[in-house]
Amino acid sequence: GQQVMQIPQYQHVQEGEDFTTYCNSSTTLSNIQWYKQRPGGHPVFLIQLVKSGEVKKQKRLTFQFGEAKKNSSLHITATQTTDVGTYFCGRSQGNLIFGKGTKLSVKP
Amino acid sequence: KAGVTQTPRYLIKTRGQQVTLSCSPISGHRSVSWYQQTPGQGLQFLFEYFSETQRNKGNFPGRFSGRQFSNSRSEMNVSTLELGDSALYLCASSLAGHTNTGELFFGEGSRLTVL
Repeated sequence: GQQVMQIPQYQHVQEGEDFTTYCNSSTTLSNIQWYKQRPGGHPVFLIQLVKSGEVKKQKRLTFQFGEAKKNSSLHITATQTTDVGTYFCGRSQGNLIFGKGTKLSVKP
Repeated sequence: KAGVTQTPRYLIKTRGQQVTLSCSPISGHRSVSWYQQTPGQGLQFLFEYFSETQRNKGNFPGRFSGRQFSNSRSEMNVSTLELGDSALYLCASSLAGHTNTGELFFGEGSRLTVL
């Protein structure tokens, strides 16, 4: 199956700065899921987006699904050290295929 | 409700050996997926089982196999181990039905080191 491409691979930010990771596909996605994996931990589900143009918020996290359903983004406002980890997007089509993730580090 | 349980958590093998990893899903979850995680390749899909049948398979050689039992517990086996098989193997269960992939609940993983 077609993998989703995630950028950037790494992001280093100062605490308080914003952070965005992007997930892109060459084909239309039925839906997309986002997961967070803390260092030494396992991936934990954050959200699923299904509708074209959908925007969902979880406190400082904003998730968007593109109008064409070929891309998605996760934006964190005013990062905190607790946001450290790797963020994965996954395309769901019978099984979940993940992008390679964006590793976020936050300098206090 | 107990989470996804994977055993063993850590193991060391030598090249040529084989290994079996076990996964007990959340009660009521019938779908179990396996992923290999390495620093360079991220989370790579191995296979998914639903109601004892392999429903999807990733792009891994035949040395990687799995099965699911009637109680939804799953095992994966890697034969003729190679150095490159060193990785964290993650199992995830979901309430997915016959057509949808629901939220995945991951276990802590089994970290395999091949020497």
